[in-house]
Amino acid sequence: DGGITQSPKYLFRKEGQNVTLSCEQNLNHDAMYWYRQDPGQGLRLIYYSQIVNDFQKGDIAEGYSVSREKKESFPLTVTSAQKNPTAFYLCASRLGGEQPQHFGDGTRLSIL
Amino acid sequence: AQSVTQLGSHVSVSEGALVLLRCNYSSSVPPYLFWYVQYPNQGLQLLLKYTSAATLVKGINGFEAEFKKSETSFHLTKPSAHMSDAAEYFCAVSSGGGADGLTFGKGTHLIIQP
Repeated sequence: DGGITQSPKYLFRKEGQNVTLSCEQNLNHDAMYWYRQDPGQGLRLIYYSQIVNDFQKGDIAEGYSVSREKKESFPLTVTSAQKNPTAFYLCASRLGGEQPQHFGDGTRLSIL
Repeated sequence: AQSVTQLGSHVSVSEGALVLLRCNYSSSVPPYLFWYVQYPNQGLQLLLKYTSAATLVKGINGFEAEFKKSETSFHLTKPSAHMSDAAEYFCAVSSGGGADGLTFGKGTHLIIQP
């Protein structure tokens, strides 16, 4: 079945450590997105990519980095510069035109 | 700039009663509008979308929404609530179909009373 796979489902980070969240899609979608979800805050856009080897900052990109070397993969790195990384992270992809975004099941990141 | 306001962080209805979740948006261009549902510790599932076709949009699980340009609203309704409808609901807006990402409201937690 086609879909978006995020791994791991739960992740723990030590102070000063970078961690990478994986997002893989087999939907052949061109565009991919990363959102952060905090309780009562809705979802906020971190980064997005409309084609391979190109990506754009969203509303809250500070402390995060991404790469898009392959169409199906869009990993997100939470760097030590992100002072409040505890959140639920959601990856999405979209075919284009009027098609909606499809979401993965998320990764919950916590600080040890 | 775009924004979405969902009135009511929590809405409680009795099983079998009408569900009404409110969403107002602002957008400088004709918007695309979406409703998503989220169950605990899961991703978002699309309920329905408005993309400038019919103003009354029907979605999955018996939900529907009406786009009212004059009121800048896109309220979600369901005639009869079911226990399985208990979840978090998000309204989202985009321009250009969402190429630059979606702007979400803060969500409404729907509680179904038996």
